[in-house]
Amino acid sequence: DSGVTQTPKHLITATGQRVTLRCSPRSGDLSVYWYQQSLDQGLQFLIQYYNGEERAKGNILERFSAQQFPDLHSELNLSSLELGDSALYFCASSVAGRGRNEKLFFGSGTQLSVL
Amino acid sequence: AQTVTQSQPEMSVQEAETVTLSCTYDTSESDYYLFWYKQPPSRQMILVIRQEAYKQQNATENRFSVNFQKAAKSFSLKISDSQLGDAAMYFCAYRSPFGNTDKLIFGTGTRLQVFP
Repeated sequence: DSGVTQTPKHLITATGQRVTLRCSPRSGDLSVYWYQQSLDQGLQFLIQYYNGEERAKGNILERFSAQQFPDLHSELNLSSLELGDSALYFCASSVAGRGRNEKLFFGSGTQLSVL
Repeated sequence: AQTVTQSQPEMSVQEAETVTLSCTYDTSESDYYLFWYKQPPSRQMILVIRQEAYKQQNATENRFSVNFQKAAKSFSLKISDSQLGDAAMYFCAYRSPFGNTDKLIFGTGTRLQVFP
């Protein structure tokens, strides 16, 4: 058990809908990272938050947004969903994530299916 | 921008044999970190081994070792004495020491099958 909790584990929804994925980092970790894993694109970095502030941004679509709350949990919001958004969404956390080569701890992911 | 390439979508190995998974990367940075992650059917991402680019010595962790060729930008993973539990997706990843972030850039993965 990595200590990173993601909910829900599975999510099935329809095109055009909006969903929210939740991540609770390990106790004491200030940074949260979101990744998307799909069959055709592999593991893509989406976005990182550090202590409530956006730290780094990757290939995140404009239809997607994220935030980190004062209690350090993070939410990834996906809107106007398309079939191609079906993927496994991972959350990871680290102590600070400030470029000091810290270990990332991954959650077990949320499997999103858009029908 | 840095990229990571894993050219073997699938590999297979007999139990107790040795297998090597390939990874190449592209970067203009002279210092960086490289990783191999394992993703079993449980979907959990597990760190297998890591290598700092400034270290010439290849990293080893029990049955897992790497062949790091900095000039060739190659970072292969060797699994010795393969076990059934080694069956998983394996991802190679790159991390830059710059940019004030610890984000990882992953390759597309290699699915390893282990036959008894």
